[in-house]
Amino acid sequence: EPEVTQTPSHQVTQMGQEVILRCVPISNHLYFYWYRQILGQKVEFLVSFYNNEISEKSEIFDDQFSVERPDGSNFTLKIRSTKLEDSAMYFCASADISTDTQYFGPGTRLTVL
Amino acid sequence: AQKITQTQPGMFVQEKEAVTLDCTYDTSDPSYGLFWYKQPSSGEMIFLIYQGSYDQQNATEGRYSLNFQKARKSANLVISASQLGDSAMYFCAMREAPTGGGNKLTFGTGTQLKVEL
Repeated sequence: EPEVTQTPSHQVTQMGQEVILRCVPISNHLYFYWYRQILGQKVEFLVSFYNNEISEKSEIFDDQFSVERPDGSNFTLKIRSTKLEDSAMYFCASADISTDTQYFGPGTRLTVL
Repeated sequence: AQKITQTQPGMFVQEKEAVTLDCTYDTSDPSYGLFWYKQPSSGEMIFLIYQGSYDQQNATEGRYSLNFQKARKSANLVISASQLGDSAMYFCAMREAPTGGGNKLTFGTGTQLKVEL
């Protein structure tokens, strides 16, 4: 069964450093998303991406965040200058064009020290 | 106002019993979708079941069913014949606007379910 994959599973970084979180969505899906979940809290939407551009972003998704689909398979989230409060689980999700049920990857746990 | 409300932070159920996890939602959009996801302790988010606002029948997927009461704006998840592996956090989520638009999900705060022997 096709699934969304994410790498790395855990990333530890120093405050102020740049991180890139990687995702491989399900191959025939056209909509891509990033969500985050701060420990013990609910899942929050960050950004959605379709047809090589951002279709919607939340107020969390400020100038330090960016997304890219550098090739036909990967979808990345870059955080330019990490802050302590960026520590969270980051989930990538993808959906196909007909149902838009979103399937989530296993997540990347980001720890900013 | 919260768009998705899950009022049960924690629930206990005996193995093999049925359990209902509550979810109410708030939207003025006539076209929306409601989703339930399971998050085990390992952290991944597993899609369980979907109900569209125009669906006439309640959704079912194996042991999962969704008790959709549109007038009350509730979309409760019913798990029948609970198993130890059902112990997890369960999130209700809503997609506003029509299907196919790639719209975001808004999540509730979750219900932690513990299945006991």
